[in-house]
Amino acid sequence: GAGVSQSPSNKVTEKGKDVELRCDPISGHTALYWYRQSLGQGLEFLIYFQGNSAPDKSGLPSDRFSAERTGGSVSTLTIQRTQQEDSAVYLCASSLAGGSAGPGLTYEQYFGPGTRLTVT
Amino acid sequence: QKEVEQNSGPLSVPEGAIASLNCTYSDRGSQSFFWYRQYSGKSPELIMSIYSNGDKEDGRFTAQLNKASQYVSLLIRDSQPSDSATYLCAVTIDAGGTSYGKLTFGQGTILTVHP
Repeated sequence: GAGVSQSPSNKVTEKGKDVELRCDPISGHTALYWYRQSLGQGLEFLIYFQGNSAPDKSGLPSDRFSAERTGGSVSTLTIQRTQQEDSAVYLCASSLAGGSAGPGLTYEQYFGPGTRLTVT
Repeated sequence: QKEVEQNSGPLSVPEGAIASLNCTYSDRGSQSFFWYRQYSGKSPELIMSIYSNGDKEDGRFTAQLNKASQYVSLLIRDSQPSDSATYLCAVTIDAGGTSYGKLTFGQGTILTVHP
C-alpha cells in the first residue's frame, strides 16, 4: 500500500518568510509524528498527533512553529518568520495508533521521504 | 549523558562478515527499541523492533536486548555492500502512563561494507 507522503520534497525560502510543510500518513494510521533532522542535532521529536489532537507539542523549538491535523489524516507544519537555524530535513512518521499495543509493545512508526528546508 | 548513545563509527566490515552495531540507553523506563536504516539522502527505514530481553531474528538481521545492562544491539550477518548506510537506534521512554511512542534517537552509526 501507499506509504507516508510529504510535500514539497525541497523548499528554499528567504529568511523571514513563512513556510508550510505537508504530511499525508498511511491510510488508517491514527498517530502522526513530526521530527526534524539536522547535522548538529540528529533526529529530534517535534510534535505528536492522535487523531486531530496534539497531546504533546514539547519538541516545537519556538512559538514560530505550529502544526495542525485535519480529518484525522493530513497534517501541516507551519514555520513563521523562518530563520537560518530552521534549515533541516523535516520528517513525518505515522503509526497504527499512539501508545502501546500491549505490555512493552509500541506501535511501529513509518517515515515519509521528508522535506528538505533551506532558509537563505 | 545522552539518552541514547551509539558509536558514530564509521564501522567498516568486509563483504560476507558480521557487522555488530551497539546502542546504550540511560532511562530504565525505556520500553520499546527500534533499529532504523538510513541511506544517504533518504529517510529512516524501520528494519527491526524488539520489546523483550533476548534475541529476535529476521532474515540476516538479529536484534539483541539486555535491559539489565541497558543496551540493544543489531547484528547483520553476511554483510553486503548494499547494507552500507547509517543505522539509527531509537527507543520509547515510558512517560509515566502516558507513553505514546515518541521516539528518542541515537546519533547513528555509519556502516561501510567493502567488497
